[in-house]
Amino acid sequence: GIQVEQSPPDLILQEGANSTLRCNFSDSVNNLQWFHQNPWGQLINLFYIPSGTKQNGRLSATTVATERYSLLYISSSQTTDSGVYFCAVGAAGNKLTFGGGTRVLVKP
Amino acid sequence: GAVVSQHPSRVICKSGTSVKIECRSLDFQATTMFWYRQFPKQSLMLMATSNEGSKATYEQGVEKDKFLINHASLTLSTLTVTSAHPEDSSFYICSAQSERTYEQYFGPGTRLTVT
Repeated sequence: GIQVEQSPPDLILQEGANSTLRCNFSDSVNNLQWFHQNPWGQLINLFYIPSGTKQNGRLSATTVATERYSLLYISSSQTTDSGVYFCAVGAAGNKLTFGGGTRVLVKP
Repeated sequence: GAVVSQHPSRVICKSGTSVKIECRSLDFQATTMFWYRQFPKQSLMLMATSNEGSKATYEQGVEKDKFLINHASLTLSTLTVTSAHPEDSSFYICSAQSERTYEQYFGPGTRLTVT
């Protein structure tokens, strides 16, 4: 099956800092999603981005499908950005395979 | 839009009993729903794919007789953990797939503790 690797596994940031999270995958995909899991366990959809670039406020994401990676950018980080960020990939209409996640802690 | 609910959010049961978890898509129809489980500090692992009107497809290593899935309508899928044991204690999360975009939307999860 498809392999998904996220880096770094852990990230500690000072409030206001910028950061980049990476997701590498082993095969062609038609579906790629980024999620933020809050402390209560809820997965919040950040981006549906099988290719291209999208921005939503302080967050943006870029997927280069031909090179099998995606990047999530967090700018001007806030303490509420803390949590685990997951990348998940799959074929369109099919199941998602999750990466191991990046655990982010933003310190005030 | 694209809200998925799960009930209950938390359940404690005794070993040997069965527990049913409901997953509902509140504002869209979902032919396909998915069930995941997550252990502490780990990623999500897919258990099964639930298709409305047909049998669920289970991932390798998941016991279909232990984890019964029923997708009775376009907005409701249920997962029943039968004869639960302490090792079944986990966080169970469902998702519903948009038929238009294939984007998955996740429920808030159910924390199961088997004593």
